Amino acid sequence: QSALTQPASVSGSPGQSITFSCTGTTSDVGNYNLVSWYQQHPGKAPKLMIYDVTKRPSGVSNRFSGSRSGSTASLTISGLQAEDEADYYCCSYTGRTPSWMFGGGTKLTVL
Amino acid sequence: EVQLVESGGLVVQPGGSLRLSCAASGFKFDDYAMHWVRQAPGKGLEWVSLIDWNGGTTDYADYAKGRFTISRDNSKNSLYLQMSSLRPEDTALYYCAKGYCGSTSCFMENWGQGTLVTVSS
Repeated sequence: QSALTQPASVSGSPGQSITFSCTGTTSDVGNYNLVSWYQQHPGKAPKLMIYDVTKRPSGVSNRFSGSRSGSTASLTISGLQAEDEADYYCCSYTGRTPSWMFGGGTKLTVL
Repeated sequence: EVQLVESGGLVVQPGGSLRLSCAASGFKFDDYAMHWVRQAPGKGLEWVSLIDWNGGTTDYADYAKGRFTISRDNSKNSLYLQMSSLRPEDTALYYCAKGYCGSTSCFMENWGQGTLVTVSS
């Protein structure tokens, strides 16, 4: 079972908006509202940023938002800040076994 | 405050066995499913296994089936991962994560800091 597809890297300047993509199939990303996104700074544990495709946990900045079109989910960061520089992973429920799958991760560089 | 503390990571020889533990606090442990997720050095996150609130349902990644066993002891607020027939490619930081699942919602809500497993001769 292949991982969800994420670009290896993206970059942006402070203040810009940037969007990460996460492509799955009609069996996982496209079939369940159970896509989540995690931020991971170097040497740190992952942190939940978005769940159920579009929902934001309390305490997460409203600069982070999630969406989906077909089998591709997206994470958008608006007003990019230096502290946003990290790795970002998407994750989807698959409805079969194995029941969960991560993307390969995208490294965000803030220029 | 939710706390998840993994332990048990060691250097082990190929073919060896190891049991990882995750001590949970700050929430009602037996209300939640739990996950193991791993991360090889310099690589991405990889889902390993899931156990539901009472251990009645488990699931595994393909590479873990037949070699890894997830379990929990709700009386001790603890999660476990028994790993056997270990391979060098199992070398990774192993995280436990608290899973939230509602009627229309499911995600990994909180994560520990991980415990490092190194498989090497």
